[in-house]
Amino acid sequence: GENVEQHPSTLSVQEGDSAVIKCTYSDSASNYFPWYKQELGKRPQLIIDIRSNVGEKKDQRIAVTLNKTAKHFSLHITETQPEDSAVYFCAASIPYNFNKFYFGSGTKLNVKP
Amino acid sequence: DAGITQSPRHKVTETGTPVTLRCHQTENHRYMYWYRQDPGHGLRLIHYSYGVKDTDKGEVSDGYSVSRSKTEDFLLTLESATSSQTSVYFCAISGIRSGTDTQYFGPGTRLTVL
Repeated sequence: GENVEQHPSTLSVQEGDSAVIKCTYSDSASNYFPWYKQELGKRPQLIIDIRSNVGEKKDQRIAVTLNKTAKHFSLHITETQPEDSAVYFCAASIPYNFNKFYFGSGTKLNVKP
Repeated sequence: DAGITQSPRHKVTETGTPVTLRCHQTENHRYMYWYRQDPGHGLRLIHYSYGVKDTDKGEVSDGYSVSRSKTEDFLLTLESATSSQTSVYFCAISGIRSGTDTQYFGPGTRLTVL
C-alpha cells in the first residue's frame, strides 16, 4: 500500500519567516494530496489540496508544490504568524480506492513572536 | 465545519469493558472513516464504510468492530477495551466526485482506558 513520510517532525521559525514541510509518497498512482492543520485539542482541518494534474497551488500565504517524478510534495507558508502554530499533516490518496487517505506522521510548527 | 458530530466527546472506562463511539453526519456522504490519533503516529485508519452495511478494515483494526445501519451513523465498538486503546478517535466523511476527494473530520472523542 501507499506510504507517506513527512519531514521535519518539528519546525520552529521566527514570526515573518517562511516555513516548508515536505512529504514523500511511494505509490505513483496517488493523485490527490491534501494538507490539514490541527490546532491543539481540535479536529484536523483542510487548508489546501492539490491534484496530480497541477504542479503548484496557492492560497494567500499558503502554497503547495507537487513533483510527480520525484513523488514528493511540499507545503510552503510565507510570512508566518503566531496563529500558524499547529500540527500539520500531509496525506495521499489513490483513486477508486474508497478514498482512503494515507497520512504522514505530522509536523509541529512553532512560530515564535 | 461539515455536519459531523461524535459522541461521547470524552470517556473514561476500565479495561475489559465494551465501549461504543458514535459518528453522526448530516451531509448524506457515502464514505465514512474511523481513525485513531496517537503521538508520533499521526492518523491511522481503523475501519471505513462505503455504504450502508458495507465496511472494511483499515491498518489498525484489531480489537475494533464497526457497524453502519444508516447512511448518517457509523459506530465504532471496542469489544473489550485495553489500555493500548487509549487514544483520540476521529470520524471523517467524504463524498467522492472524481475518484478522490476531501475528507472532513468530526470533533473527536478522547477515550481513556484505565
